[in-house]
Amino acid sequence: KAGVTQTPRYLIKTRGQQVTLSCSPISGHRSVSWYQQTPGQGLQFLFEYFSETQRNKGNFPGRFSGRQFSNSRSEMNVSTLELGDSALYLCASSLTGGRNEQFFGPGTRLTVL
Amino acid sequence: LAKTTQPISMDSYEGQEVNITCSHNNIATNDYITWYQQFPSQGPRFIIQGYKTKVTNEVASLFIPADRKSSTLSLPRVSLSDTAVYYCLVGDGVGNYGQNFVFGPGTRLSVLP
Repeated sequence: KAGVTQTPRYLIKTRGQQVTLSCSPISGHRSVSWYQQTPGQGLQFLFEYFSETQRNKGNFPGRFSGRQFSNSRSEMNVSTLELGDSALYLCASSLTGGRNEQFFGPGTRLTVL
Repeated sequence: LAKTTQPISMDSYEGQEVNITCSHNNIATNDYITWYQQFPSQGPRFIIQGYKTKVTNEVASLFIPADRKSSTLSLPRVSLSDTAVYYCLVGDGVGNYGQNFVFGPGTRLSVLP
């Protein structure tokens, strides 16, 4: 069974731009969660989608948004990028939700200049 | 908002048992405690999950006291390949939609020969 895939793996943007990251979950998994990982703040929960609906949301500003499609693939969008948005963005899929075992992708490394 | 704490780092020798404790005072009453392992340049990988008392699988044991305000991950007979960062994850029942997943700061385990 293929694992969680994330594209692109690396991305360089400048301040003020917007970016869209993509995540393909394991086949059959309906839940996709997104996390931001930085050296200073560690792993922080962004949001969780289940069957195309945002089910949970962490404490991030509205510039961070996401969506999930009918095939469970998910995208995350960050608008008006700031230097502090530079991070590894991880996507995780699970069968029934983030409270259960999550399978993480390799992440997208975003650098904001 | 839940806050979790873990030791920042630990050293051990091959063949020893390692115990890593996570404190999570505000864990939601109906939520699990989950531990993940992360190697450099990879997403976290599920190790074990429990709700109370003791859980054991082929790679680790998880001890959870009755008050569930902490948990201890036990790795028997560690090897060099266990050198990684270990995270605990809990849900605190807070957040916009009733659930915020909170990772601990991570414990960097170094296994020495």
